Amino acid sequence: AQSVTQLDSQVPVFEEAPVELRCNYSSSVSVYLFWYVQYPNQGLQLLLKYLSGSTLVKGINGFEAEFNKSQTSFHLRKPSVHISDTAEYFCAVSEGDYKLSFGAGTTVTVRA
Amino acid sequence: EAQVTQNPRYLITVTGKKLTVTCSQNMNHEYMSWYRQDPGLGLRQIYYSMNVEVTDKGDVPEGYKVSRKEKRNFPLILESPSPNQTSLYFCASSPGTGETQYFGPGTRLLVL
Repeated sequence: AQSVTQLDSQVPVFEEAPVELRCNYSSSVSVYLFWYVQYPNQGLQLLLKYLSGSTLVKGINGFEAEFNKSQTSFHLRKPSVHISDTAEYFCAVSEGDYKLSFGAGTTVTVRA
Repeated sequence: EAQVTQNPRYLITVTGKKLTVTCSQNMNHEYMSWYRQDPGLGLRQIYYSMNVEVTDKGDVPEGYKVSRKEKRNFPLILESPSPNQTSLYFCASSPGTGETQYFGPGTRLLVL
């Protein structure tokens, strides 16, 4: 069975600074990887996903993530954050079936 | 507008009083799922359904029931709620494996 570890529970960052959110997964088979964002008092929406192909994946709102199979990681990055990026971010993994496992989440707080 | 709807959005109940949280999607998705979100634990999958009359357990199915009699609806049933089921619940749907999951707005449940 797959599992996901998000290495940082909280990440404070200043506006216009870069941010990286770390995600590691464990699985014995090929996986699909996702990053979702949850804005305050809202449901989750997809930022980006990796299914196959290029290991650098670009998503919405200027986010990108890199899949590293040897390190079983899928870190999320943004070169310059805005106040509106304040949210909780979830990494998730699927082994291609209908089960989806989420990490515990990383709260990003962007300060002016 | 393509969406997943949940009702009610907020619910306070007492131990042992049966309740149902409804979920409906208008995107003709085959796959639907229920999650619960708890602080520090992220989202955990309760049950999922691959199609009408086809359901399976997720990671935390104890104390919950589901049914999928129509493609668009996937209600979550708590036959005898207990305080440890106090949580934020999300319904999601997607066209299939590896596809984006679309989340509902969430149902906040308090069991006294």
